[in-house]
Amino acid sequence: DVKVTQSSRYLVKRTGEKVFLECVQDMDHENMFWYRQDPGLGLRLIYFSYDVKMKEKGDIPEGYSVSREKKERFSLILESASTNQTSMYLCASRGQNSPLHFGNGTRLTVT
Amino acid sequence: DQQVKQNSPSLSVQEGRISILNCDYTNSMFDYFLWYKKYPAEGPTFLISISSIKDKNEDGRFTVFLNKSAKHLSLHIVPSQPGDSAVYFCAADWGTSGSRLTFGEGTQLTVNP
Repeated sequence: DVKVTQSSRYLVKRTGEKVFLECVQDMDHENMFWYRQDPGLGLRLIYFSYDVKMKEKGDIPEGYSVSREKKERFSLILESASTNQTSMYLCASRGQNSPLHFGNGTRLTVT
Repeated sequence: DQQVKQNSPSLSVQEGRISILNCDYTNSMFDYFLWYKKYPAEGPTFLISISSIKDKNEDGRFTVFLNKSAKHLSLHIVPSQPGDSAVYFCAADWGTSGSRLTFGEGTQLTVNP
């Protein structure tokens, strides 16, 4: 069974802090994704990666960056956290011809 | 520009009855559609999918119908159970693996005992 693990379930950070959200998958999937979920907006894609050291912008990349140094790990970075980045962040991975598998999410609050 | 829309934020049904969740899309390039279910404090889990070459796919109590001419799909759950209470997301995709899903806003389904 695919396991996608997000390092934190809850985070509280101050405005202006640099924030790292970590995600690890154990199925050797090529593709990894970061989404955020907000009420009434569904899941919106921030960034994705289809290989080590490769990254592509999603629909809402502003204020975020990512890092993929190893195949199993995909990190989301908030360079300078702002209150409008308070959200549920979901990491996902996907192999060839398979559906997305999600982690349990990180609820980030920026105060 | 919302390419995948779920116009009903919530739906309430009685246990044992049918639940019908709807989804509309605008991009005619989409050729693969999925439904995900999400419980509170958990990530979404894959439920069922359908390719654009089909108009129906069934898996136990869950059936997805696709109407390409209307750019509409629906998820039917029969019979509905209280454990089905969750948020359901419709998603659409095109092309080969590595492309990215576009999700709808979600519909909160509540099944009352």
